[in-house]
Amino acid sequence: GAGVSQSPSNKVTEKGKDVELRCDPISGHTALYWYRQSLGQGLEFLIYFQGNSAPDKSGLPSDRFSAERTGGSVSTLTIQRTQQEDSAVYLCASSLGTGGYEQYFGPGTRLTVT
Amino acid sequence: KQEVTQIPAALSVPEGENLVLNCSFTDSAIYNLQWFRQDPGKGLTSLLLIQSSQREQTSGRLNASLDKSSGRSTLYIAASQPGDSATYLCAGANDYKLSFGAGTTVTVRA
Repeated sequence: GAGVSQSPSNKVTEKGKDVELRCDPISGHTALYWYRQSLGQGLEFLIYFQGNSAPDKSGLPSDRFSAERTGGSVSTLTIQRTQQEDSAVYLCASSLGTGGYEQYFGPGTRLTVT
Repeated sequence: KQEVTQIPAALSVPEGENLVLNCSFTDSAIYNLQWFRQDPGKGLTSLLLIQSSQREQTSGRLNASLDKSSGRSTLYIAASQPGDSATYLCAGANDYKLSFGAGTTVTVRA
């Protein structure tokens, strides 16, 4: 079946602009995660959605970052007033459930802030 | 907070040699440990998932072990091939969050 998809694959934006990154999880997966991979910080957790529960936003680096998940499926990560330090690869993952389920990752969105 | 370390950071071996990749973690209360492969410019491909109740998991030429008491996991790749060249990442799951190591970049020389 189809895996996790993300769009766009690459995004170049000017400092100060807002960007939206999209994630389509595997059909039937109730849990969705966003991670960020940057040269200086490695791979780090950003936010987690599980069903209709309130998301865990504990990994979001600043209030410029927000995410939503509509209808328990597609998710959008929004970065407002982008900064150069936001340049990274943003990875989305999904799993059947939580507490021990395998996470499947999408190909990522490479964000470059100029 | 879970801290995950992978040593070595890079490894180069001739084709046919067995690969041994090490991963250590600080919090033994993990739900599971997952090994991933990442090719340059690509996302993560899941290789093996070991539940906390398991000691090892096998898939083809890959075998991963888990020792919670010592906080270690090892990924073995038998009879390496040039196509195995990639970065290998391990990640420990405490509740639902994955904590990643920095990865081991493997080069298999033909």
